[in-house]
Amino acid sequence: SSELTQDPAVSVALGQTVRITCQGDSLRSYYASWYQQKPGQAPVLVIYGKNNRPSGIPDRFSGSSSGNTASLTITGAQAEDEADYYCNSRDSSGNHPDVVFGGGTKLTVL
Amino acid sequence: QVQLQESGPGLVKPSQTLSLTCTVSGGSISSGDYYWSWIRQPPGKGLEWIGYIYYSGSTYYNPSLKSRVTISVDTSKNQFSLKLPSVTAADTAVYYCARWDHAFDIWGQGTMVTVSS
Repeated sequence: SSELTQDPAVSVALGQTVRITCQGDSLRSYYASWYQQKPGQAPVLVIYGKNNRPSGIPDRFSGSSSGNTASLTITGAQAEDEADYYCNSRDSSGNHPDVVFGGGTKLTVL
Repeated sequence: QVQLQESGPGLVKPSQTLSLTCTVSGGSISSGDYYWSWIRQPPGKGLEWIGYIYYSGSTYYNPSLKSRVTISVDTSKNQFSLKLPSVTAADTAVYYCARWDHAFDIWGQGTMVTVSS
């Protein structure tokens, strides 16, 4: 199956902009989805499709994609954005609709 | 709105079978629009997709777990279930059920399962 690669940790100053990236061959065929997970909580979908936010997700979260890389951008990071972020997509390596997750990025807001 | 709730034993002995159920409320599992999924997360580690099932019973599994996993659906109870036999300590994790429609848009709260004698 395909793999999705994320940087293990990223930091951002309060109020600044941060980009979290996800790389993998499957991203040439499928959009990435992004999930925010805070300690002790279930993941929450924050971005899906080309650049769609579920209801209730602040508009400071946005997504983009180029080639084999998908990005989650937080414009004006807030203290409450400190969390683990995971990307996922369909897996293009087989003939069946498998799903793959990235290893996660721990975001620290300084 | 649709909600998912996992249930099952929190402690399973090595070599035994892990069995979990996810109950869907606020919507029908038979709506035909979604795949119903299991995902797990070992302590301190990332997310691992286990597999998913369509209401018709069609299943798709993570190739790394395919030989061990069974996911089934009971539309009359609006539930779907996970069975993982011959567990080891490596199967200790928080197990989540989630709804897939090009993304995992709704998640259960998760249930911790520890494999230990």
